[in-house]
Amino acid sequence: EAGVTQFPSHSVIEKGQTVTLRCDPISGHDNLYWYRRVMGKEIKFLLHFVKESKQDESGMPNNRFLAERTGGTYSTLKVQPAELEDSGVYFCATRDSGYGYTFGSGTRLTVV
Amino acid sequence: DQQVKQNSPSLSVQEGRISILNCDYTNSMFDYFLWYKKYPAEGPTFLISISSIKDKNEDGRFTVFLNKSAKHLSLHIVPSQPGDSAVYFCAASFSGSARQLTFGSGTQLTVLP
Repeated sequence: EAGVTQFPSHSVIEKGQTVTLRCDPISGHDNLYWYRRVMGKEIKFLLHFVKESKQDESGMPNNRFLAERTGGTYSTLKVQPAELEDSGVYFCATRDSGYGYTFGSGTRLTVV
Repeated sequence: DQQVKQNSPSLSVQEGRISILNCDYTNSMFDYFLWYKKYPAEGPTFLISISSIKDKNEDGRFTVFLNKSAKHLSLHIVPSQPGDSAVYFCAASFSGSARQLTFGSGTQLTVLP
């Protein structure tokens, strides 16, 4: 079974630019989550999709962040415009019906 | 306000000895707890979990203990091996369809050969 794939693995952008992160989930996993780890702190929840619907986006920091999940398959997380405090590692995770989370390797975003 | 806390950022243990990683939580509504292990440049991988109806769960060298009255859980690794060196995250969740995870800030475990 293929795992959760995220790309790019690294992205360095200038403040004010736009970046789009992508996550390809495990096939058949309806639940897709985005999490973020900033500066070695805790991993924080951003949002949760069930298929193509946003179930909970309470963790999204502000309206510069936009997440989509096309047709219930892959998901994108766009940051526009990026700010310095957006730097961190963004993880995508998918889950089957239980607690079987599978995390991707993450995208390390650096805003300079 | 952090609901899940791992107060030790790092821990060093000699190979073959026991590693004990601790985690405290504040929200008594959490009813499922998980430990994840993370190597550099990789995503967290599931290690072991425990439901709030239990106080202990064991899987090979890994045992998780839950003390609900103290809102405390711990992960024991016996015996510790150099390959166990990683960052360990404690996570908590509510049962239900969402099951989003609330993580602690992690503990870097180093097992010395």
